[in-house]
Amino acid sequence: ETGVTQSPTHLIKTRGQQVTLRCSSQSGHNTVSWYQQALGQGPQFIFQYYREEENGRGNFPPRFSGLQFPNYSSELNVNALELDDSALYLCASRTAGGSYEQYFGPGTRLTVT
Amino acid sequence: AQSVSQHNHHVILSEAASLELGCNYSYGGTVNLFWYVQYPGQHLQLLLKYFSGDPLVKGIKGFEAEFIKSKFSFNLRKPSVQWSDTAEYFCAVNAQRNNYQLIWGAGTKLIIKP
Repeated sequence: ETGVTQSPTHLIKTRGQQVTLRCSSQSGHNTVSWYQQALGQGPQFIFQYYREEENGRGNFPPRFSGLQFPNYSSELNVNALELDDSALYLCASRTAGGSYEQYFGPGTRLTVT
Repeated sequence: AQSVSQHNHHVILSEAASLELGCNYSYGGTVNLFWYVQYPGQHLQLLLKYFSGDPLVKGIKGFEAEFIKSKFSFNLRKPSVQWSDTAEYFCAVNAQRNNYQLIWGAGTKLIIKP
């Protein structure tokens, strides 16, 4: 069973640029969630995708957008990067029913300078 | 608004000491409760979870937690900690009405002195 994978591991961008982060779900999982974890804080929910549709969103501006593909992999796009976007971005996958336990990837560390 | 609060941001213990990390949530209705652990340099791992039934749940590595509905609490315990338990611990909650998005506490950094 393949776990959740994310790429890249680390990324450095300049303020104002755009970034795309990628996530491959654990095999058999059709729901993907993205979280932002700033240094010293707990993760914050960004949004969730189920069967290629966004079905939940946290308190993040529209410049945070996402996609889910037919194979259930996912992307997180952030436009017009700001310094405060520097964080660890976590992807988690689960099945739509059952225990609702989420399985996390290792994260992508984004630094905005 | 739903929220999760963890009482201690930093805890330092000696090996073999007992551990209790507090977690309270503010969330009406039926919830699922989780404790995750993040070891240094590793990704989040599930320690234990509560969905229903026996309010005392046992997880991996000797951890357990007790759900007290009247107190909106889900405290994590371990009778005797080891140096390898040094990590950051997060309490989280989700519910069906929010499509099971996880709401997280700020985390507790646990340092075990050998």
